[in-house]
Amino acid sequence: DAKTTQPPSMDCAEGRAANLPCNHSTISGNEYVYWYRQIHSQGPQYIIHGLKNNETNEMASLIITEDRKSSTLILPHATLRDTAVYYCIVRLDAGGTSYGKLTFGQGTILTVHP
Amino acid sequence: KAGVTQTPRYLIKTRGQQVTLSCSPISGHRSVSWYQQTPGQGLQFLFEYFSETQRNKGNFPGRFSGRQFSNSRSEMNVSTLELGDSALYLCASSFGQGSSPLHFGNGTRLTVT
Repeated sequence: DAKTTQPPSMDCAEGRAANLPCNHSTISGNEYVYWYRQIHSQGPQYIIHGLKNNETNEMASLIITEDRKSSTLILPHATLRDTAVYYCIVRLDAGGTSYGKLTFGQGTILTVHP
Repeated sequence: KAGVTQTPRYLIKTRGQQVTLSCSPISGHRSVSWYQQTPGQGLQFLFEYFSETQRNKGNFPGRFSGRQFSNSRSEMNVSTLELGDSALYLCASSFGQGSSPLHFGNGTRLTVT
């Protein structure tokens, strides 16, 4: 699976949009980008994923550049409860033996301030 | 619908003992994966089961084993516990194919003394 690079930490004011970047310059054509977040002492929470088109759900938006070498997770109106570690993960959609294995990096610690 | 359920939530064991952790996946999910999380190593993949068969295994010693039952519920066993096995053990379930994401439980916190 392709390696990802994220900033170690970011700050955001409550009510503002939080834009979390991720670099995945070695991504291949059939690899998806997934975003998870983890609040202290809880399991990672799935947020969103995409292949090449921008995606939006009730939690966030995912913007993937045209060359697919980077992406941005957008939390449109951050709240204090969005303070967490955010992980960007690239996974090959090949099914089979590699399916259940996600490679987590160090992620980005997002702190939302009042 | 109900999420991934892991039991017990907390566990304290003594070095040399063995332990079994349980995971109930989301209804309809056939894949269960296990992860270990420690402050030093982060989240590391242990193994994945799909339809009662181990489909992939991470780089952990043979003391770590698992199984999956016909109802997709899974158990993980660690034998001859070592102090370094103290960690948060996470289970994740999914449909097991395509791009469907993994959904994690809140884990079992194992402390080995």
